[in-house]
Amino acid sequence: EDQVTQSPEALRLQEGESSSLNCSYTVSGLRGLFWYRQDPGKGPEFLFTLYSAGEEKEKERLKATLTKKESFLHITAPKPEDSATYLCAGGSGNTPLVFGKGTRLSVIA
Amino acid sequence: GAVVSQHPSRVICKSGTSVKIECRSLDFQATTMFWYRQFPKQSLMLMATSNEGSKATYEQGVEKDKFLINHASLTLSTLTVTSAHPEDSSFYICSARDTGRGEEKLFFGSGTQLSVL
Repeated sequence: EDQVTQSPEALRLQEGESSSLNCSYTVSGLRGLFWYRQDPGKGPEFLFTLYSAGEEKEKERLKATLTKKESFLHITAPKPEDSATYLCAGGSGNTPLVFGKGTRLSVIA
Repeated sequence: GAVVSQHPSRVICKSGTSVKIECRSLDFQATTMFWYRQFPKQSLMLMATSNEGSKATYEQGVEKDKFLINHASLTLSTLTVTSAHPEDSSFYICSARDTGRGEEKLFFGSGTQLSVL
């Protein structure tokens, strides 16, 4: 059974304090590893898709990386507006994505 | 801007009534759409996969007669919660898969907060 596990469950950072969020996956025949941002009361917002180990993608203060077993979302010098829940998901074949439980990030000014 | 539109964003209804939620892909055709349910501080729980022109595929434990899904066109899927009860109160989110941009992206609607009194 495909599984996606995210850690930590919650993370509190000071503004400017860089850190990383972890996503471990066991998805056979991974077709893509996806990262989303979700604000309270809103639908998830697409951030990145990673397809193969060694791949990296960046967007502003965020950088996502992928290995054969896990993905990291690195946040460099975060700002309060980066506070949100970050979701990781994996998919294989043509099956729906399996989502992790998310990491709730709070960035304090 | 948003590429998946979901309406309504919030609905309050009496127990026993039915509620319809619409999900539209705005600038791409989506042969497949997904419906999720989310409880506070929990992740997304897939309810069903909606396929254009055919019956939806429901996840285990989801009552298909309770949650009616119709995907009549390549840009519209609807979820109808029939005879709603308080335990159906939740945040419902739709998504549509776009594979026509060089990479796969799953776009989400803004969600519908359903409160059944």
